[in-house]
Amino acid sequence: NAGVMQNPRHLVRRRGQEARLRCSPMKGHSHVYWYRQLPEEGLKFMVYLQKENIIDESGMPKERFSAEFPKEGPSILRIQQVVRGDSAAYFCASSRARVETQYFGPGTRLLVL
Amino acid sequence: KQEVTQIPAALSVPEGENLVLNCSFTDSAIYNLQWFRQDPGKGLTSLLLIQSSQREQTSGRLNASLDKSSGRSTLYIAASQPGDSATYLCAVRVQGGSEKLVFGKGTKLTVNP
Repeated sequence: NAGVMQNPRHLVRRRGQEARLRCSPMKGHSHVYWYRQLPEEGLKFMVYLQKENIIDESGMPKERFSAEFPKEGPSILRIQQVVRGDSAAYFCASSRARVETQYFGPGTRLLVL
Repeated sequence: KQEVTQIPAALSVPEGENLVLNCSFTDSAIYNLQWFRQDPGKGLTSLLLIQSSQREQTSGRLNASLDKSSGRSTLYIAASQPGDSATYLCAVRVQGGSEKLVFGKGTKLTVNP
């Protein structure tokens, strides 16, 4: 049973470009969480999704960031018009049910030049 | 608002020493508390998960305790080895709403041969 998969593992973008981060949850998991780890900071919750629904987006910046988890395919975290401050490691976690253990992926490290 | 603090921020010990990492949280309304290990540039590996009704969990040389009423947890590592060198993260799963994880900033452990 493969773990949580994220791609790409590393992503370099210039200011103003778009970044699309993908997360494939573990098999049988329908709950996905995104977290961001800024340099020298702890992980911060961004958004929690179930298939086709956003449950909690209280940690998402109000502009430029969006997330989806379609019926088919991976969850996508999309950052439009990236700025240098978006440079961070973005981690995805999945769980089988709402209060069950979250399993983390290896992360996507975004660098904005 | 739940806040998680980890002390110390960094710790350097000689090989073979027993050590304790500390974690405190401000709101006792949690489902569980989890300790993770993060190696440089890598994802998170779950070490131990303690449910709110439990007092401790053990795995090999690791023992984690939880005192929910005082908002504290400790991770005890016995007979430390250079391979234990990593950043150790504490996270609590909050009750109500999305059950997101709230992380501390971590303790960076170096075990010297």
